This record gives sequence, structure tokens and C-alpha cells, in this order.
Amino acid sequence: AQSVTQPDIHITVSEGASLELRCNYSYGATPYLFWYVQSPGQGLQLLLKYFSGDTLVQGIKGFEAEFKRSQSSFNLRKPSVHWSDAAEYFCAVGARGFQKLVFGTGTRLLVSP
Amino acid sequence: NAGVTQTPKFQVLKTGQSMTLQCAQDMNHNSMYWYRQDPGMGLRLIYYSASEGTTDKGEVPNGYNVSRLNKREFSLRLESAAPSQTSVYFCASSEGTASSTDTQYFGPGTRLTVL
Repeated sequence: AQSVTQPDIHITVSEGASLELRCNYSYGATPYLFWYVQSPGQGLQLLLKYFSGDTLVQGIKGFEAEFKRSQSSFNLRKPSVHWSDAAEYFCAVGARGFQKLVFGTGTRLLVSP
Repeated sequence: NAGVTQTPKFQVLKTGQSMTLQCAQDMNHNSMYWYRQDPGMGLRLIYYSASEGTTDKGEVPNGYNVSRLNKREFSLRLESAAPSQTSVYFCASSEGTASSTDTQYFGPGTRLTVL
């Protein structure tokens, strides 16, 4: 069965500093990987997704993620964090032939002045 | 183009009361989903509908029922609410027929408290 681990429950980053949010997945075949962001009081919005090809994918709002098959990871990065990036971030994994997307437990990002 | 809409935004119920959460999408999507979000547990799938007229159980279906009224609307019913159902409920939709490889589009959520 697929599973997703986001090991960091909370992360605090200073505004302007770089950010990396960790995501590890467990699945035998080729995973379909997603990062979603949830701003306070809002629903989830897709940041980016990886299906195949180039392992570095670009998303909205200046985010990128790198797929590393050898480490079963799909970490989210941003070179310079803005206060508006404070939100909760969810990694999710799907696969061909499976109907259900599996979400991680989320990482809450706090941005300090 | 409103995307996915949910009503109500907030609701307080007493134990044993019933209610229906409404969800509609205007993107002509085939699949629709109901999730609940609890602190530290991420999103858990309650029910989903791969196409009009079909529904299937997700990870946590007990205590809930759903209806796919038409292609646009997918409702979630709590017949006898319990405090354990206090949560934030999200509806989502996707273009394909319930493939986990599709992008899902989420509504703004309903915050439900059961006293």
C-alpha cells in the first residue's frame, strides 16, 4: 500500500530565507507525487506535481520539488520565503490503477519577520 | 467559474442530530470526493464517486452516507452526529474517473462541531 511521511510537523523560517519541506513516500511502482498548500481557513490548492521526466519540477508561487527515486523522497523547496507562504503543506502520492490519493499529515510553515 | 463550492461554512450540531453537507462543482468533472481533516492526521477519504450514479467507500466511511445527485453535486449526510465527527470536511473533484493520478480541486471546507 502507498504511504506518505512528512516528518516535520512545524517549521519556522525567517522571511527571505530558503525553505525545504521533506516528504518520503512508500510505493513499489512509479509514484505520482503532489504538493498541495492550504492557507488558513482555505481549501487545498495544487502547488506542483510529478509524473515522469525531469526530476526537478517547477510549481506556482516560486516553489519547486525534486524527485529522488533512490531516497523515495519528493522534497519541496523555495529559495526565498515570503510572509504570505505561511500555510500548511501536504504531500500526496497516487499511482496508476489506484483510485485513492494518499496524503501525508502535513507540515505547518511559520514565517518569522 | 466558481470551482468547488461547499455549504455551509460552519455548523454546530448536538449529538444525535442529522445534517447534510452540500458540495457542487462547475468544472464538468467526473469524480468527486469527501475528506475529513483532523489535527495531526492529514486528510482522510470518507467516500468518493467516480462518476454520476456511483459511490464507493474510502478510508473512514462509518457514520456517513453520500449521494451523487447529478454530475455537479455530491452530498455528505450524517444521520446521527457524534462528537468524534467534529472535523473540517472538504469536498474535492477531479476530471477523470477516480484515478489517484488526477489533480484534485478542493472546496473551502465546512467546519463542523458536534457537542
